[in-house]
Amino acid sequence: RKEVEQDPGPFNVPEGATVAFNCTYSNSASQSFFWYRQDCRKEPKLLMSVYSSGNEDGRFTAQLNRASQYISLLIRDSKLSDSATYLCVVILGRMRFGAGTRLTVKP
Amino acid sequence: EPEVTQTPSHQVTQMGQEVILRCVPISNHLYFYWYRQILGQKVEFLVSFYNNEISEKSEIFDDQFSVERPDGSNFTLKIRSTKLEDSAMYFCASIGQGDWGAVSEQYFGPGTRLTVT
Repeated sequence: RKEVEQDPGPFNVPEGATVAFNCTYSNSASQSFFWYRQDCRKEPKLLMSVYSSGNEDGRFTAQLNRASQYISLLIRDSKLSDSATYLCVVILGRMRFGAGTRLTVKP
Repeated sequence: EPEVTQTPSHQVTQMGQEVILRCVPISNHLYFYWYRQILGQKVEFLVSFYNNEISEKSEIFDDQFSVERPDGSNFTLKIRSTKLEDSAMYFCASIGQGDWGAVSEQYFGPGTRLTVT
């Protein structure tokens, strides 16, 4: 089983749609969880942390289920500028990346 | 906002040549990393560096690779004899002294695109 596994995508959605990304991790000792955003040929940039209680930042909601070793990211009212690859990142001693899920938002 | 810088932004080299990729981490950070990303593939961990020594390295980080922090500010990745398959984006990252939960402390540089011909 991969350390961090994500929906392979790609996701192609119209503007205004709601889209959800899923991620699972293999090691229950993992310490912290994040979603990063990566634009084409750019560095990953932190989007948000993920907590068990769930956390929201504007149109973005992240959720962690430690029992299921599952992380999610929900984007509401998607914008063209949300088009990017979304990386699930788990901390276990160091950052461990999922392969990323590509999102394209179309007009 | 503090930032990690990397130079050069793009390096083209011939197979078999040595390259040195440079990074300037954020000044008060203590943990430094190199990652690579082959075009269209996932971000792969290469090496972590703490207290002037390697703390962890991946199987990718073989004898052709080395890292140094020669002067307390620069953090370099050297590839001794480049191969075609070394062509990738190389990202440096640095992390501050806080807990892993201190998300504001995790920063990536903009990357160096290495092209081996």
